[in-house]
Amino acid sequence: TQLLEQSPQFLSIQEGENLTVYCNSSSVFSSLQWYRQEPGEGPVLLVTVVTGGEVKKLKRLTFQFGDARKDSSLHITAAQPGDTGLYLCAGAPQGGSEKLVFGKGTKLTVNP
Amino acid sequence: ETGVTQSPTHLIKTRGQQVTLRCSSQSGHNTVSWYQQALGQGPQFIFQYYREEENGRGNFPPRFSGLQFPNYSSELNVNALELDDSALYLCASSFGTNPSTDTQYFGPGTRLTVL
Repeated sequence: TQLLEQSPQFLSIQEGENLTVYCNSSSVFSSLQWYRQEPGEGPVLLVTVVTGGEVKKLKRLTFQFGDARKDSSLHITAAQPGDTGLYLCAGAPQGGSEKLVFGKGTKLTVNP
Repeated sequence: ETGVTQSPTHLIKTRGQQVTLRCSSQSGHNTVSWYQQALGQGPQFIFQYYREEENGRGNFPPRFSGLQFPNYSSELNVNALELDDSALYLCASSFGTNPSTDTQYFGPGTRLTVL
């Protein structure tokens, strides 16, 4: 069973601070995805990383896929209240499985 | 706005009852995946349908079943409801079946409460 562990589970910070969220596993994934989910809505895809060591930037968000394709991180620079939400990582297991395995999520609150 | 809709938004049932949840995918998307998201958890894969055939199943009992129709709509049926079935049920549509290359677009979910 492939598990994805996210940390921290909860994070409350002030506007303007930087933060990093981690997603770790003992299994290898073909790709890892990061989603943001707001209350009453489904998850929305932010990025997919597929190559070990890959770094992708999306405005103030930086995503990294570990060299061994077992872990990933999401770094947010100068967080804003609009960044508040549940951040989920999800992995596509190696071997071409059709299912995504999700972590439990990190609930981020950015206070003005 | 993902173009994926789900109905109903909320539903309350009692133990032992049966429920049908509905999803309308983006036009042209051949694949629909269903997930269960319990409170405080990430979504868990229930099953996936591709062109009206089941294409993979997670660790859910047979009382969870589904259907996909040619008009890009689909259903999730749950029989003999249990208290632990209380959760947000999400459907996600995509063009193909490869989660690494085919973006899944999630609907807003149906919140099911079993009393």
